[in-house]
Parts: sequence; structure tokens; C-alpha cells
Amino acid sequence: GAVVSQHPSWVICKSGTSVKIECRSLDFQATTMFWYRQFPKQSLMLMATSNEGSKATYEQGVEKDKFLINHASLTLSTLTVTSAHPEDSSFYICSARDGAAGTYEQYFGPGTRLTVT
Amino acid sequence: GENVEQHPSTLSVQEGDSAVIKCTYSDSASNYFPWYKQELGKRPQLIIDIRSNVGEKKDQRIAVTLNKTAKHFSLHITETQPEDSAVYFCAATDNFNKFYFGSGTKLNVKP
Repeated sequence: GAVVSQHPSWVICKSGTSVKIECRSLDFQATTMFWYRQFPKQSLMLMATSNEGSKATYEQGVEKDKFLINHASLTLSTLTVTSAHPEDSSFYICSARDGAAGTYEQYFGPGTRLTVT
Repeated sequence: GENVEQHPSTLSVQEGDSAVIKCTYSDSASNYFPWYKQELGKRPQLIIDIRSNVGEKKDQRIAVTLNKTAKHFSLHITETQPEDSAVYFCAATDNFNKFYFGSGTKLNVKP
């Protein structure tokens, strides 16, 4: 089946620094990838939708300049948390849709646990 | 936009019993309803989904029912096992992109 990987699986960084998270579709081309944020014991909150070769579409309330998303190829999207602060600590999960399959299904990555100290 | 509500937030059942989780949605245009299982610290895994042109779908011990008129859909797990313990999320969408997730149900199956 379709596999999505994320790297790193966990990261600790100091306040004020930037962190980049990678999301890759390993065995299919993902025309669209999605970035979610999940707080403990809460649901997944869609942050943005990224389409290969174009600008990401951010959800209301998500700061574009803080959460930079780049979908440079059909298999890779990156999320950069700039000038991270402790309140950015969260579980970040990406998902990808196989455009060729023509289905609704989204395949999720394993998530990245970000801790900002 | 779409609003998905999920109940209950926690559910405790005895091994072998059935579990039912219910979701309602607000947008009549929604036409795809997946259910995900998420174990602690892991990725959500699709366990079953249903499209709006179908009223019920079953896969072994798991079934989903959809009532378009009432705008609600439910997950049914029969003969529950301890390994069914996890958080379950419902979702709804009317296009290929924006999934609206419910708030989640923590299912605990007691041996």
C-alpha cells in the first residue's frame, strides 16, 4: 500500500531557532500533501494544503510566515517552523493523496514530535 | 464550512462486547466519510470508509452506517478485543482535500 514517511520522528530545539520537517511519499506521486497539528488528546487540526509547484493554502488562523511549506516535488513536502516557541510544541503529521488513484483517501505519515525548550 | 461532531469522547467496553461511535456532520455536500484508528504516538490508520451513495459497509468485525437524511454516520465494532483499544476519529469531506475530523473517541476494551 501507499507509504508516507516523515523525518525526523522527534526533535527538540531551542526557542528562537527554526526546524524543518520532511514528508515523503515513498511509492506514489502525491500531487497534494496536507499538514496537520495534533495536541495531546485532541483531534487533528489541518494547518495547510500544499500542491506540488504552487503555494500552499493555509487554514484560517495559521501564520504563513511562521509555518513555511514547500512542495518542491511530487514526493516531498517540507514544513519549516520558524522562530519556534514553546507553544509550537506539538505533534505534526503530514498526509498525502495519490492523485493518480483518483480516490479521496489520505495516507498519513508517522508524525513528528516537536518540543521547543 | 463543515462541522463534525463525535460522541462519545470515551468508551469503555468489556472484551467481546460491541462498540458504537457516532458522528454527525453539517454540510449536506459531504460525500466521503472515513474512520481512522490512532494508537498513542502513532499515525492515524484508515480502518473503513463509506461514500454517500452507500448506506452501509462492512469489513469483518467493523461496519459503518450512513444516514444522509439525518447527516450522521456510525462506526460499529463487534466482538471487541483488547487490541481494538485506541482513539478513533471520524471525518467528512466534500472534495479531495479538506478533511474535517471529529474530536475523537478513546475506546478502552477491558480484558
